[in-house]
Amino acid sequence: GAGVSQSPSNKVTEKGKDVELRCDPISGHTALYWYRQSLGQGLEFLIYFQGNSAPDKSGLPSDRFSAERTGGSVSTLTIQRTQQEDSAVYLCASSYRDRGPRNTFGSGTRLTVV
Amino acid sequence: QKEVEQNSGPLSVPEGAIASLNCTYSDRGSQSFFWYRQYSGKSPELIMSIYSNGDQEDGRFTAQLNKASQYVSLLIRDSQPSDSATYLCAVNNYGQNFVFGPGTRLSVLP
Repeated sequence: GAGVSQSPSNKVTEKGKDVELRCDPISGHTALYWYRQSLGQGLEFLIYFQGNSAPDKSGLPSDRFSAERTGGSVSTLTIQRTQQEDSAVYLCASSYRDRGPRNTFGSGTRLTVV
Repeated sequence: QKEVEQNSGPLSVPEGAIASLNCTYSDRGSQSFFWYRQYSGKSPELIMSIYSNGDQEDGRFTAQLNKASQYVSLLIRDSQPSDSATYLCAVNNYGQNFVFGPGTRLSVLP
């Protein structure tokens, strides 16, 4: 497809379970970002991948959160031992790395931890 | 700590008026500035980007940047009810992650 694709679109999980969220960026985009947005809140930065450089993990809220990007394309965000406060919409975005990176967002994964 | 600040609103303007949305940022090294519109339940979509001091116009939208004051604004002329959304300011330092403000909720009243 032409846009950023995220799956699943909705995920309901029990507290304590692990979840994996997937992001397929736009082909050719070297930068990939993960954000999360709680209801009525702004975007909270989680992690940033740029090409083959070491990712910027400064936004990950705890060591239960991790992400990888295989082959410079698809990314997976993993949340271990989910907690209710992890409930949010997780948004992925990708962009070219140029003077004006213009990230394009996927439609997000709505995670609900019950 | 890099921060981007916006008034949360809601900002209410009558249809046809000019809506003015403001954003300040703390990182003087910031190089790129963006405005996103987010409708309720939807993902953000890019509407304006600006990189140099001054004004940048695109249709009814004008972005204004003042790096000395660390201030960026968005003006929406002839506001329409369809412009009602949350507007997110984002700031980027080349090659680094985007930092988003909390967003300003705009309501255009018919």
